[in-house]
Amino acid sequence: AQTVTQSQPEMSVQEAETVTLSCTYDTSENNYYLFWYKQPPSRQMILVIRQEAYKQQNATENRFSVNFQKAAKSFSLKISDSQLGDTAMYFCAFLETSGSRLTFGEGTQLTVNP
Amino acid sequence: AAGVIQSPRHLIKEKRETATLKCYPIPRHDTVYWYQQGPGQDPQFLISFYEKMQSDKGSIPDRFSAQQFSDYHSELNMSSLELGDSALYFCASSAPKGQSKTQYFGPGTRLLVL
Repeated sequence: AQTVTQSQPEMSVQEAETVTLSCTYDTSENNYYLFWYKQPPSRQMILVIRQEAYKQQNATENRFSVNFQKAAKSFSLKISDSQLGDTAMYFCAFLETSGSRLTFGEGTQLTVNP
Repeated sequence: AAGVIQSPRHLIKEKRETATLKCYPIPRHDTVYWYQQGPGQDPQFLISFYEKMQSDKGSIPDRFSAQQFSDYHSELNMSSLELGDSALYFCASSAPKGQSKTQYFGPGTRLLVL
């Protein structure tokens, strides 16, 4: 079974600064997808960014980018120019290419301070 | 863009009662997933449906059942409710096979069992 680990339960950053959230995973699969979802206080689950394992290029979405290291099974999220609205719980998630269930990490609570 | 719709958004039930949660996927999405998120926890996969057939089953109690209908909406039926069933229940949907496997989440149904 796949496992996803987020070793930082809480993090904080000053507005306009950059922060990196860590995620590692364990799998024997070669093809899979990785995602970052954010869950603000409203508790809505919002997709932030996704990465296909077969793609070597790191995904980017505006201020959000990932550092995908397949051999190390690491998938970190970098948030640039942090904004107050980025305050949320961030979940890293794994999906087998042939599967349907997302496996989530424990989450990292990010607080952006003014 | 249209999103996943869940109803009701909030539900309060007594122990041993039954509850039905409804999910309407994004138009043209044919796969539906159900997740349960307890307080302070990450979402846990319950069950999924593809083209009205159960495609995967996770940690769903025997007291729960679900189905997907011909219009692709899905219902999660929960019987003999227990206090521990109090949680946020998410439905997610994804596009037809061959397209993106990204799961898009609805706003969730908050169930409180008293």
